Amino acid sequence: AQSVTQLDSQVPVFEEAPVELRCNYSSSVSVYLFWYVQYPNQGLQLLLKYLSGSTLVKGINGFEAEFNKSQTSFHLRKPSVHISDTAEYFCAVSSGNTGKLIFGQGTTLQVKP
Amino acid sequence: DGGITQSPKYLFRKEGQNVTLSCEQNLNHDAMYWYRQDPGQGLRLIYYSQIVNDFQKGDIAEGYSVSREKKESFPLTVTSAQKNPTAFYLCASSRGQGLGTGELFFGEGSRLTVL
Repeated sequence: AQSVTQLDSQVPVFEEAPVELRCNYSSSVSVYLFWYVQYPNQGLQLLLKYLSGSTLVKGINGFEAEFNKSQTSFHLRKPSVHISDTAEYFCAVSSGNTGKLIFGQGTTLQVKP
Repeated sequence: DGGITQSPKYLFRKEGQNVTLSCEQNLNHDAMYWYRQDPGQGLRLIYYSQIVNDFQKGDIAEGYSVSREKKESFPLTVTSAQKNPTAFYLCASSRGQGLGTGELFFGEGSRLTVL
């Protein structure tokens, strides 16, 4: 069975500092990997996705993630965060056959001035 | 603009009452999903439908029911059998089975509070 673990429930960081949100997954088959962002009282919005090809994936708002098959990780990074990046971030995995996504527990990114 | 519309945004219910949450999409997507979100637990799949007139249980279907009579609509009923219905409910859609990207498009959510 597939599962996703987000290693940090909260990540506080100062504005303009770099940030990494960690995600590990387990799956016995090829997977597709996603990062979504959720602002308060809203739905989720896709940040980026890995389907195949280059292991470094660039997304919206300056975020990027690297797929590491040997470590079964898909960590999200941004070199310089803004106050507006304060939100909850979800990592998700799909085997692709049904479109069903398995979500991690979420990481709250708190950007401080 | 294409998208997913959920209503109502906020809903209060007395114990023992059924309530139906609406989800409509105009993206021409085949697949639709209902997720429940609780603090610290991420999103958990309640039901999903890959085609009209067909749907499958997700991980936490007990106490919920759905229908898929039209491609655009996937309403969720929270029944009195659901022991702890207070939560944030998210509807989503995707292009469907076989196209393989798994990318979901989400509505704005409905927050249900049981009094």
